[in-house]
Amino acid sequence: AQKVTQAQTEISVVEKEDVTLDCVYETRDTTYYLFWYKQPPSGELVFLIRRNSFDEQNEISGRYSWNFQKSTSSFNFTITASQVVDSAVYFCALRSTSGTYKYIFGTGTRLKVLA
Amino acid sequence: DGGITQSPKYLFRKEGQNVTLSCEQNLNHDAMYWYRQDPGQGLRLIYYSQIVNDFQKGDIAEGYSVSREKKESFPLTVTSAQKNPTAFYLCASSIVPGQGKETQYFGPGTRLLVL
Repeated sequence: AQKVTQAQTEISVVEKEDVTLDCVYETRDTTYYLFWYKQPPSGELVFLIRRNSFDEQNEISGRYSWNFQKSTSSFNFTITASQVVDSAVYFCALRSTSGTYKYIFGTGTRLKVLA
Repeated sequence: DGGITQSPKYLFRKEGQNVTLSCEQNLNHDAMYWYRQDPGQGLRLIYYSQIVNDFQKGDIAEGYSVSREKKESFPLTVTSAQKNPTAFYLCASSIVPGQGKETQYFGPGTRLLVL
C-alpha cells in the first residue's frame, strides 16, 4: 500500500522564524517521485518541487529547502525566515511509477505565519 | 500564457440536478485529472484521462461522469447520484505519465455548493 503522512495538521510561527513541515511516505516501489505543493487561500495548488527516488541531494531554492532521506522515508520541507505570504496549506504527494501513476496526497499542513 | 482554467469559480446545485464543471488547458498536455478536496483532507482522485476518448475511474468515481472529446478539455459532470457533492473540485494536467518528468499542474478550482 502507498501512503503519505503529514502528521502536523497546523503550525503557527511568528514572522522570520524558520519552520519545517514533515512528510513521511510508504511505498514498495523502487522508483517513485515525491512532490510538494502550496495551496494559498485562493485555492489553486502551486507546484513547488519534484524529487525522484534516485536523487537524495537536498535542494535549496531561495528561502525554501527540502531534505529527502530514503532511509527514513521522509521528504521534509523547510522555510527559512518565514513571511506572512508563506501562510497556506502545504501538501506532500507521492507518485508511483507502476500501475496507474496516480498521485497519493497527504492531508496537508496548514501554516500560519503571524506578523 | 499557458495554463489551466476552470469555470465557474462557484457553482450551486439544486437537489436532483446534474451540473457540469469545465476544465480547459492550453499546455498541450495529454493527461488530465479531476480531484475532489474536502475540508481538512487531501485530494482524492475522481477520474483521469491519458488520451483523447479514453478515461479511467479514480478512487471516488461514483456519482460523477466525464468526457474527453478534445485534448484541451475534460469536463466533469456531478450527477444527482452523488449524494454529498459539496466540495472543492480541482482539475490538473500533465504530460503522459511514465515519461520521467511528468508533473501535475492545477487549475484554480471550482467550489460546488448544494442549495
